[in-house]
Amino acid sequence: EAQVTQNPRYLITVTGKKLTVTCSQNMNHEYMSWYRQDPGLGLRQIYYSMNVEVTDKGDVPEGYKVSRKEKRNFPLILESPSPNQTSLYFCASSSPGQNYGYTFGSGTRLTVV
Amino acid sequence: DAKTTQPTSMDCAEGRAANLPCNHSTISGNEYVYWYRQIHSQGPQYIIHGLKNNETNEMASLIITEDRKSSTLILPHATLRDTAVYYCIVGGTSYGKLTFGQGTILTVHP
Repeated sequence: EAQVTQNPRYLITVTGKKLTVTCSQNMNHEYMSWYRQDPGLGLRQIYYSMNVEVTDKGDVPEGYKVSRKEKRNFPLILESPSPNQTSLYFCASSSPGQNYGYTFGSGTRLTVV
Repeated sequence: DAKTTQPTSMDCAEGRAANLPCNHSTISGNEYVYWYRQIHSQGPQYIIHGLKNNETNEMASLIITEDRKSSTLILPHATLRDTAVYYCIVGGTSYGKLTFGQGTILTVHP
């Protein structure tokens, strides 16, 4: 089944403890992206990647890192999480010209205490 | 990317057509109009997209005005499962940077 898989689905962590949220897609998509969603603020793009080793900042990149060493994986790294990064995170992937837009993962609900 | 304006919320009776408007007056010539929806806290789901011409697929129809400054998403026979937040987005063909607005909360009533 074509899908975007995020792990973990739920995570509670403490301030300052480095964490990684993994994202993997099995559709051979070039484009991948990370969003966060907060009440009243909607979906905001954190980082996106147009292909392997090509990444760019979205609207809210502060406090996050990404890497794209392989086409299928696009991990989101929080080097020193803070409570304001408590949010619902979505990973998404797509290819240029395809007719079904971005495919989104099921989300990761992160709580930083 | 161009900004979009959507009504905050809309209601629709089950079985009737739901017409969701979107204004994108600053859209540029090579930007597409995309529609996504999000049910509860699930990942957004792609619905349809278009450039100039009207588009139809198994989920919905997209009507884009001739000047491309606005569009309407039509769900021809709304069901309770269509209750969701609907996002209208404009962006280039690169799919790289898609900016979501606040969307329209569509509530379908029995």
